Amino acid sequence: DAGVIQSPRHEVTEMGQEVTLRCKPISGHDYLFWYRQTMMRGLELLIYFNNNVPIDDSGMPEDRFSAKMPNASFSTLKIQPSEPRDSAVYFCASSLAPGTSGYNEQFFGPGTRLTVL
Amino acid sequence: RKEVEQDPGPFNVPEGATVAFNCTYSNSASQSFFWYRQDCRKEPKLLMSVYSSGNEDGRFTAQLNRASQYISLLIRDSKLSDSATYLCVVKINTGGFKTIFGAGTRLFVKA
Repeated sequence: DAGVIQSPRHEVTEMGQEVTLRCKPISGHDYLFWYRQTMMRGLELLIYFNNNVPIDDSGMPEDRFSAKMPNASFSTLKIQPSEPRDSAVYFCASSLAPGTSGYNEQFFGPGTRLTVL
Repeated sequence: RKEVEQDPGPFNVPEGATVAFNCTYSNSASQSFFWYRQDCRKEPKLLMSVYSSGNEDGRFTAQLNRASQYISLLIRDSKLSDSATYLCVVKINTGGFKTIFGAGTRLFVKA
Protein backbone atom coordinates (compact mmCIF):
# COMPACT_ATOMS: atom_id res chain seq x y z
CA ASP A 1 0.00 0.00 0.00
CA ALA A 2 1.56 3.30 -1.07
CA GLY A 3 2.28 5.83 1.62
CA VAL A 4 2.50 9.57 1.19
CA ILE A 5 4.32 10.38 -2.03
CA GLN A 6 6.39 13.52 -2.49
CA SER A 7 8.24 14.86 -5.47
CA PRO A 8 10.87 15.81 -6.22
CA ARG A 9 13.01 14.14 -3.55
CA HIS A 10 15.80 16.65 -4.08
CA GLU A 11 15.68 20.11 -5.59
CA VAL A 12 18.57 22.49 -6.14
CA THR A 13 17.71 25.90 -7.48
CA GLU A 14 19.05 29.41 -7.62
CA MET A 15 17.82 32.33 -5.60
CA GLY A 16 14.86 34.02 -7.22
CA GLN A 17 13.56 30.94 -8.98
CA GLU A 18 10.11 29.48 -8.43
CA VAL A 19 10.00 26.12 -6.66
CA THR A 20 7.00 23.78 -6.62
CA LEU A 21 6.83 20.82 -4.27
CA ARG A 22 4.23 18.11 -4.77
CA CYS A 23 2.43 15.70 -2.49
CA LYS A 24 0.01 12.83 -2.91
CA PRO A 25 -1.61 11.85 0.40
CA ILE A 26 -2.70 8.39 1.40
CA SER A 27 -6.01 7.56 -0.23
CA GLY A 28 -8.92 8.16 2.13
CA HIS A 29 -7.06 10.57 4.38
CA ASP A 30 -8.89 13.86 4.65
CA TYR A 31 -6.17 15.86 6.41
CA LEU A 32 -2.99 17.01 4.72
CA PHE A 33 -0.09 18.84 6.39
CA TRP A 34 2.98 20.65 5.09
CA TYR A 35 6.02 20.89 7.39
CA ARG A 36 9.49 22.38 7.09
CA GLN A 37 12.48 21.01 8.98
CA THR A 38 15.79 22.78 9.58
CA MET A 39 18.55 22.26 12.11
CA MET A 40 17.91 25.64 13.65
CA ARG A 41 14.11 25.58 13.92
CA GLY A 42 13.26 21.88 13.95
CA LEU A 43 10.01 20.66 12.42
CA GLU A 44 7.50 23.46 11.83
CA LEU A 45 3.92 23.14 10.67
CA LEU A 46 3.38 25.47 7.71
CA ILE A 47 -0.24 24.79 6.77
CA TYR A 48 -2.85 22.07 6.95
CA PHE A 49 -5.93 21.20 4.93
CA ASN A 50 -9.13 19.40 5.79
CA ASN A 51 -11.10 18.04 2.85
CA ASN A 52 -8.99 20.18 0.51
CA VAL A 53 -9.76 23.40 2.43
CA PRO A 54 -6.89 25.27 4.16
CA ILE A 55 -7.65 25.38 7.88
CA ASP A 56 -4.60 27.01 9.43
CA ASP A 57 -1.85 28.72 7.44
CA SER A 58 -0.41 30.68 10.34
CA GLY A 59 2.89 28.84 9.97
CA MET A 60 3.47 29.98 6.41
CA PRO A 61 6.53 32.21 6.76
CA GLU A 62 5.59 34.92 4.30
CA ASP A 63 3.77 35.76 1.09
CA ARG A 64 6.41 34.04 -0.98
CA PHE A 65 4.94 30.74 0.18
CA SER A 66 1.61 29.43 -1.07
CA ALA A 67 -0.09 26.05 -0.87
CA LYS A 68 -3.00 24.56 -2.76
CA MET A 69 -5.00 21.38 -2.68
CA PRO A 70 -7.09 21.22 -5.85
CA ASN A 71 -8.39 17.73 -5.07
CA ALA A 72 -8.21 15.01 -2.46
CA SER A 73 -5.19 13.33 -4.02
CA PHE A 74 -2.85 16.21 -4.74
CA SER A 75 -1.31 19.24 -3.06
CA THR A 76 1.43 21.70 -3.94
CA LEU A 77 3.64 24.01 -1.95
CA LYS A 78 5.10 26.83 -3.99
CA ILE A 79 7.88 29.26 -3.15
CA GLN A 80 8.22 32.27 -5.39
CA PRO A 81 10.79 33.78 -5.38
CA SER A 82 12.99 31.36 -3.48
CA GLU A 83 15.75 32.53 -1.13
CA PRO A 84 18.75 30.70 0.40
CA ARG A 85 17.07 30.76 3.83
CA ASP A 86 14.29 28.57 2.38
CA SER A 87 16.77 25.69 2.19
CA ALA A 88 15.28 22.89 4.30
CA VAL A 89 13.57 19.53 4.12
CA TYR A 90 9.88 19.92 3.36
CA PHE A 91 7.61 17.12 4.55
CA CYS A 92 4.06 16.40 3.59
CA ALA A 93 1.92 14.28 5.92
CA SER A 94 -1.64 13.00 5.86
CA SER A 95 -4.07 11.57 8.38
CA LEU A 96 -7.62 10.53 9.01
CA ALA A 97 -9.84 12.89 10.98
CA PRO A 98 -8.67 13.20 14.61
CA GLY A 99 -12.13 12.93 16.10
CA THR A 100 -12.84 14.69 19.37
CA SER A 101 -9.84 13.21 21.18
CA GLY A 102 -7.21 14.41 18.75
CA TYR A 103 -5.52 11.03 18.86
CA ASN A 104 -4.61 9.93 15.37
CA GLU A 105 -1.43 9.20 13.49
CA GLN A 106 0.10 11.46 10.90
CA PHE A 107 1.88 9.58 8.12
CA PHE A 108 4.81 11.44 6.63
CA GLY A 109 6.20 11.33 3.13
CA PRO A 110 9.95 10.94 2.55
CA GLY A 111 10.41 14.69 2.21
CA THR A 112 11.85 17.02 -0.40
CA ARG A 113 15.35 18.29 0.34
CA LEU A 114 15.48 21.83 -1.05
CA THR A 115 18.70 23.75 -1.56
CA VAL A 116 18.51 27.34 -2.74
CA LEU A 117 21.88 28.70 -3.89
CA ARG B 1 9.41 30.28 25.39
CA LYS B 2 8.87 27.41 22.97
CA GLU B 3 5.51 25.69 23.09
CA VAL B 4 7.12 22.26 23.34
CA GLU B 5 10.56 21.90 24.90
CA GLN B 6 12.87 18.91 24.96
CA ASP B 7 16.43 18.29 26.09
CA PRO B 8 18.29 18.10 22.76
CA GLY B 9 20.88 15.65 24.08
CA PRO B 10 22.64 13.83 22.66
CA PHE B 11 22.22 10.94 25.04
CA ASN B 12 25.00 8.40 24.64
CA VAL B 13 24.17 5.10 26.35
CA PRO B 14 25.47 1.53 26.20
CA GLU B 15 23.34 -1.33 24.95
CA GLY B 16 21.04 -2.60 27.66
CA ALA B 17 20.80 0.73 29.45
CA THR B 18 17.59 2.43 30.50
CA VAL B 19 17.16 5.97 29.24
CA ALA B 20 14.47 8.56 29.90
CA PHE B 21 13.46 11.60 27.87
CA ASN B 22 11.42 14.50 29.14
CA CYS B 23 9.24 17.03 27.40
CA THR B 24 7.31 20.03 28.68
CA TYR B 25 4.54 21.94 26.95
CA SER B 26 3.22 25.41 27.68
CA ASN B 27 -0.28 25.56 26.21
CA SER B 28 -2.98 24.37 28.61
CA ALA B 29 -5.28 23.73 25.64
CA SER B 30 -3.01 20.86 24.61
CA GLN B 31 -5.21 17.84 24.23
CA SER B 32 -3.29 14.92 22.73
CA PHE B 33 0.30 13.81 23.01
CA PHE B 34 2.67 11.58 21.08
CA TRP B 35 6.24 10.44 20.68
CA TYR B 36 7.56 10.19 17.14
CA ARG B 37 10.86 8.70 16.11
CA GLN B 38 13.02 10.08 13.29
CA ASP B 39 16.00 8.23 11.88
CA CYS B 40 18.80 10.17 10.23
CA ARG B 41 17.66 11.69 6.91
CA LYS B 42 14.29 9.95 7.15
CA GLU B 43 10.75 11.05 7.88
CA PRO B 44 9.25 11.05 11.39
CA LYS B 45 7.18 7.99 12.32
CA LEU B 46 4.78 7.50 15.20
CA LEU B 47 6.37 5.61 18.08
CA MET B 48 3.47 5.79 20.51
CA SER B 49 0.60 7.92 21.69
CA VAL B 50 0.67 9.13 25.29
CA TYR B 51 -2.47 8.79 27.38
CA SER B 52 -3.34 10.21 30.78
CA SER B 53 -3.15 6.81 32.42
CA GLY B 54 0.30 6.15 31.01
CA ASN B 55 0.94 3.41 28.51
CA GLU B 56 3.52 0.81 27.66
CA ASP B 57 4.56 -0.85 24.43
CA GLY B 58 7.21 -3.49 24.94
CA ARG B 59 10.39 -1.77 26.11
CA PHE B 60 8.82 1.69 25.81
CA THR B 61 6.77 3.43 28.50
CA ALA B 62 5.16 6.84 28.13
CA GLN B 63 3.78 9.00 30.92
CA LEU B 64 1.71 12.17 30.90
CA ASN B 65 1.31 14.62 33.77
CA ARG B 66 -1.28 17.20 32.79
CA ALA B 67 -0.95 19.19 36.02
CA SER B 68 2.76 19.74 35.42
CA GLN B 69 2.39 19.82 31.63
CA TYR B 70 5.05 17.18 31.29
CA ILE B 71 5.51 14.09 29.12
CA SER B 72 8.12 11.39 29.43
CA LEU B 73 9.41 8.43 27.46
CA LEU B 74 11.34 5.59 29.08
CA ILE B 75 13.28 3.08 27.00
CA ARG B 76 14.42 -0.06 28.78
CA ASP B 77 17.09 -2.49 27.59
CA SER B 78 18.30 -0.13 24.84
CA LYS B 79 19.19 -1.66 21.48
CA LEU B 80 21.55 -0.33 18.83
CA SER B 81 18.50 0.09 16.62
CA ASP B 82 16.98 2.56 19.11
CA SER B 83 19.53 5.16 17.97
CA ALA B 84 17.43 7.97 16.51
CA THR B 85 15.91 11.34 17.33
CA TYR B 86 12.80 11.22 19.51
CA LEU B 87 10.26 13.97 18.91
CA CYS B 88 7.69 15.03 21.48
CA VAL B 89 4.45 16.07 19.79
CA VAL B 90 1.50 17.99 21.18
CA LYS B 91 -1.82 18.75 19.54
CA ILE B 92 -3.58 21.90 20.64
CA ASN B 93 -7.34 22.13 20.32
CA THR B 94 -7.93 25.36 18.43
CA GLY B 95 -11.28 24.31 17.05
CA GLY B 96 -9.28 22.11 14.76
CA PHE B 97 -6.06 20.52 16.03
CA LYS B 98 -2.76 22.30 15.61
CA THR B 99 0.27 20.02 15.77
CA ILE B 100 3.44 21.22 17.50
CA PHE B 101 6.65 19.22 17.36
CA GLY B 102 9.46 19.54 19.86
CA ALA B 103 12.99 19.95 18.53
CA GLY B 104 13.82 16.35 19.37
CA THR B 105 16.23 14.46 21.60
CA ARG B 106 19.04 12.54 19.95
CA LEU B 107 19.88 9.09 21.26
CA PHE B 108 22.99 7.10 20.44
CA VAL B 109 23.13 3.53 21.70
CA LYS B 110 26.60 2.02 21.58
CA ALA B 111 27.77 -1.58 21.70
